[in-house]
Amino acid sequence: AQSVTQLGSHVSVSEGALVLLRCNYSSSVPPYLFWYVQYPNQGLQLLLKYTSAATLVKGINGFEAEFKKSETSFHLTKPSAHMSDAAEYFCAVRATDSWGKLQFGAGTQVVVTP
Amino acid sequence: DTGVSQDPRHKITKRGQNVTFRCDPISEHNRLYWYRQTLGQGPEFLTYFQNEAQLEKSRLLSDRFSAERPKGSFSTLEIQRTEQGDSAMYLCASSLGTGSQETQYFGPGTRLLVL
Repeated sequence: AQSVTQLGSHVSVSEGALVLLRCNYSSSVPPYLFWYVQYPNQGLQLLLKYTSAATLVKGINGFEAEFKKSETSFHLTKPSAHMSDAAEYFCAVRATDSWGKLQFGAGTQVVVTP
Repeated sequence: DTGVSQDPRHKITKRGQNVTFRCDPISEHNRLYWYRQTLGQGPEFLTYFQNEAQLEKSRLLSDRFSAERPKGSFSTLEIQRTEQGDSAMYLCASSLGTGSQETQYFGPGTRLLVL
C-alpha cells in the first residue's frame, strides 16, 4: 500500500519569499508523484509530475520539485511567491505497476501576504 | 481541447432525494475517474472506467452510489437516498495513455450539499 503525507496544512509566505511545501510518500517502490493546485471552487490543475526520469522536475508557474529517494520526499518549491500563488496544493502518488488511481495528501493551503 | 466539464456545478438537495451528476471528459480520453473531496481533505478515489467498462470501485462507493459510462464517452454518477454525509465536492478526471505517459485532467467539480 502507498500513502502520501503533506507536512503543514497551512503555510503563510510573504510576497517574493521562497515557497516550500513538503510531501513525503510511503511506497515499496518509487512511485509516480504529482503536485496539483486547486483554486477556490475549481478543480485540480497539474503543476508537475515525476515519472522516474530527471529527479528535479520543473512545472508551470515557476514551480519545481525534487524527488529524493533516500528521504522518500517530493517537496515543491518556488523561489519567489506571487499573490496569485494563493491556493491549496495537493501532493499525489500513483503506483507504477497499476492503472491510474491517484492517492492524495490532505493538502496545504498557501496564503501569500503583501 | 475544451477540458473536462461537469454539470451541475452546484447542487443542493434534501436528505433522501436522488441526485445525478454528469461528467464530459476530454475528447478521445479513454479513462475516466470519479473522486470525492470533503472539506479540508484531498480527493479520494471512488471509481474508474476504461472506455465503457467500470474496472474498479472504492469501498467508499456504497450501494447507494452508481456510476455509468455508456458508449465510453460521458459518465454519470448517481447517489440514491442522499445522506448528509454525502455532502462533498465530486470531481471527475479523464486521461489518455498508460504508465508514465498518463496524466489526469480534472473538471471543476460538482459541489453537493445535502440538507
